[in-house]
Amino acid sequence: KQEVTQIPAALSVPEGENLVLNCSFTDSAIYNLQWFRQDPGKGLTSLLLIQSSQREQTSGRLNASLDKSSGRSTLYIAASQPGDSATYLCAVTFGNQFYFGTGTSLTVIP
Amino acid sequence: GAGVSQSPSNKVTEKGKDVELRCDPISGHTALYWYRQSLGQGLEFLIYFQGNSAPDKSGLPSDRFSAERTGGSVSTLTIQRTQQEDSAVYLCASSTTSGASTDTQYFGPGTRLTVL
Repeated sequence: KQEVTQIPAALSVPEGENLVLNCSFTDSAIYNLQWFRQDPGKGLTSLLLIQSSQREQTSGRLNASLDKSSGRSTLYIAASQPGDSATYLCAVTFGNQFYFGTGTSLTVIP
Repeated sequence: GAGVSQSPSNKVTEKGKDVELRCDPISGHTALYWYRQSLGQGLEFLIYFQGNSAPDKSGLPSDRFSAERTGGSVSTLTIQRTQQEDSAVYLCASSTTSGASTDTQYFGPGTRLTVL
């Protein structure tokens, strides 16, 4: 069974800092990996989708990398802003199911 | 355009009662998923619909849980004889095709279920 772990569980940084969120998964036979943002009362928003054949994806200040063989992904957020405060979830597609991590709660302090 | 919508946003029920949760996917999306998120835990896959194919029910935790999707659009998740451990946020997502390999899922805001 696939297990997805995210570290740290919570992170607090001052505005402007660059930061890295980590995601690891136990079975490397994934189809893809997605990073989501979860805001209270708004459900999940997909940030980046990395196919299993890709190494990274970039969108604005966000960069996600994937090392499938080692079962790891990172989400890099550059020049953090208070509006980035949210819970960030990674999810892997394994078979036709999705396995989610427990998330990292990020607080960016103005 | 309109996103995935879910209703109700909050539901409080008594133990033993049945509840129905509704999901309206994005128009044209053929794949629809139900998940639940219990307090302090990650999202848990429940069930997956793809077009007119038989749904993948492998994530349903017990036979008290069922879901249907009428006309390939709206879906209803039904929980019979609710238990306190059913309390969670139930999220619905849709995507354009099979969703498994290439497509981004779009999530609704969820239904927060509280079983007293």
